Amino acid sequence: AQSVAQPEDQVNVAEGNPLTVKCTYSVSGNPYLFWYVQYPNRGLQFLLKYITGDNLVKGSYGFEAEFNKSQTSFHLKKPSALVSDSALYFCAVAAVNTGFQKLVFGTGTRLLVSP
Amino acid sequence: DVKVTQSSRYLVKRTGEKVFLECVQDMDHENMFWYRQDPGLGLRLIYFSYDVKMKEKGDIPEGYSVSREKKERFSLILESASTNQTSMYLCASRGRGWGYTFGSGTRLTVV
Repeated sequence: AQSVAQPEDQVNVAEGNPLTVKCTYSVSGNPYLFWYVQYPNRGLQFLLKYITGDNLVKGSYGFEAEFNKSQTSFHLKKPSALVSDSALYFCAVAAVNTGFQKLVFGTGTRLLVSP
Repeated sequence: DVKVTQSSRYLVKRTGEKVFLECVQDMDHENMFWYRQDPGLGLRLIYFSYDVKMKEKGDIPEGYSVSREKKERFSLILESASTNQTSMYLCASRGRGWGYTFGSGTRLTVV
């Protein structure tokens, strides 16, 4: 069965510093990987996805993620954090089960960027 | 802009009540999903639908049912609400391809 692990409940970083939010996955077949962000009392907003192609994927708001097949990881990164990046981040993998596609989410990582 | 609209942002219901959560999308998407979000557990799939009147159980369907009579509308039904169903409920839709669009969520409190 497909699964996603986000090992950190919270990541703290100072504004202007680089940030990394970790994600590892387990999937049979080719992985389709996603990052979403959730601001307080809001739904999920799409950041980026990896389907195929370059291992470095660029997304919204200056975020990028690196797909690493050998380490089964898909870490989210940003070179310079902003206070406004503080939010809840979810990694997800698209699972195909009995012919139907669905998203399986990790437990989420809260990012706190301090001024 | 594409939209998934959930009818209520906040809802308070009593134990044993029948509760309806409504979700409407304007993108003519075939696939619609209901998730619940709980701290430390992330998002868990309750039910999904791949066409009108078609539904599939997700990972935690117990205590819930769904209805999809029209393509744009997907309803989640709590047959007899219980306090352990207090949660944030998120609806999503997906067309052909990999793009999922989420609604803003309904925070349900069962007292």
